Amino acid sequence: AQSVSQHNHHVILSEAASLELGCNYSYGGTVNLFWYVQYPGQHLQLLLKYFSGDPLVKGIKGFEAEFIKSKFSFNLRKPSVQWSDTAEYFCAVSPSGSARQLTFGSGTQLTVLP
Amino acid sequence: DTGVSQNPRHKITKRGQNVTFRCDPISEHNRLYWYRQTLGQGPEFLTYFQNEAQLEKSRLLSDRFSAERPKGSFSTLEIQRTEQGDSAMYLCASSLWGQNPTDTQYFGPGTRLTVL
Repeated sequence: AQSVSQHNHHVILSEAASLELGCNYSYGGTVNLFWYVQYPGQHLQLLLKYFSGDPLVKGIKGFEAEFIKSKFSFNLRKPSVQWSDTAEYFCAVSPSGSARQLTFGSGTQLTVLP
Repeated sequence: DTGVSQNPRHKITKRGQNVTFRCDPISEHNRLYWYRQTLGQGPEFLTYFQNEAQLEKSRLLSDRFSAERPKGSFSTLEIQRTEQGDSAMYLCASSLWGQNPTDTQYFGPGTRLTVL
């Protein structure tokens, strides 16, 4: 069974600071990788996803993530955060086969101070 | 595209009662997933359907839980004889499987269950 670890439970940054959220997964086969975001009072939304090809993927709102297969990692980055990025961020994986159920990490709460 | 909708949004019940939640996926999405999320945790997979067929159930889904998708459109999740440990947010997601190998799951707002 797959598992996902997000080591940072709560990150506090000032506006314009750079962001990197860690995500490591454990799975014996090929995986698809995702970052979802949950803004206060809203439902989960997809930020970006990796299925194959270029390991550097770009998502919405200036976010990007890099898949490093040798490290089983899929870290999320943004060069300059805004107050509106305050939210909870979830990393998730699914097997590459036909069954696509997601396994989520426990989430990282990001607080951006104005 | 009206998004995934879930009803009710909140449910408070007494221990031992039965509850039923409904999920309406994005129209034409053939896959529908149920997840459960407790405080401080990420969502955990419960079960999923492709059209009306229930293809997989997690070990988290005890005998008290049952899910249906009778016509391949909306789905219901029923919990019988609720326990306090069932208190959680129940999330539904849908996706279009088959036409696009990079299918994305779109989540609904969830139903928050509180068992007293």
